[in-house]
Amino acid sequence: GENVEQHPSTLSVQEGDSAVIKCTYSDSASNYFPWYKQELGKGPQLIIDIRSNVGEKKDQRIAVTLNKTAKHFSLHITETQPEDSAVYFCAAGVRPLYGNNRLAFGKGNQVVVIP
Amino acid sequence: EAQVTQNPRYLITVTGKKLTVTCSQNMNHEYMSWYRQDPGLGLRQIYYSMNVEVTDKGDVPEGYKVSRKEKRNFPLILESPSPNQTSLYFCASSLTGGGFDEKLFFGSGTQLSVL
Repeated sequence: GENVEQHPSTLSVQEGDSAVIKCTYSDSASNYFPWYKQELGKGPQLIIDIRSNVGEKKDQRIAVTLNKTAKHFSLHITETQPEDSAVYFCAAGVRPLYGNNRLAFGKGNQVVVIP
Repeated sequence: EAQVTQNPRYLITVTGKKLTVTCSQNMNHEYMSWYRQDPGLGLRQIYYSMNVEVTDKGDVPEGYKVSRKEKRNFPLILESPSPNQTSLYFCASSLTGGGFDEKLFFGSGTQLSVL
């Protein structure tokens, strides 16, 4: 099955700097790569996702890049703010047209934005 | 407000005492799923349901049961809890489970401790 590795486990950045989290996956058939943000005491929330036919996607200060050849994808957060402090999970899987939304999740990154 | 509601938020129990964690969604979603989150392991799928009376095992189903008698509810049942089921549990739902434009909504989580 799919195996997702996520690095680094903890990332501290100064407010205003950029943060980058990288994930690698093992199954070349995976075609869907979402990123979730989990704030303390809350459930994961989808913040951005990318499909395998796209190399990059951006939404305001957040972007995701995908390198299918190397089997890795990265989350980029620019101009970090204190509210960006959270645990971030990457995931990968084959998104069927209909069926189990089966995703393999990474272990999570704790991002700390230092004011 | 669209949401996935889990109860209770915190639960402490003893080995062997049957318990149920409830999950309810108000978005008329067909697909619902249970995950457990353990430190250093990310999220792992326990069971999922494609619709009423349609359930199937995820990656770690041992020791759990589910039922889907109504579209909005998807309870997780631990018939005889053991300490290795101490974990943070999340319920999630989406419209149909598949398709690239679907978003997976998570509940706020249930922290279970089995003594």
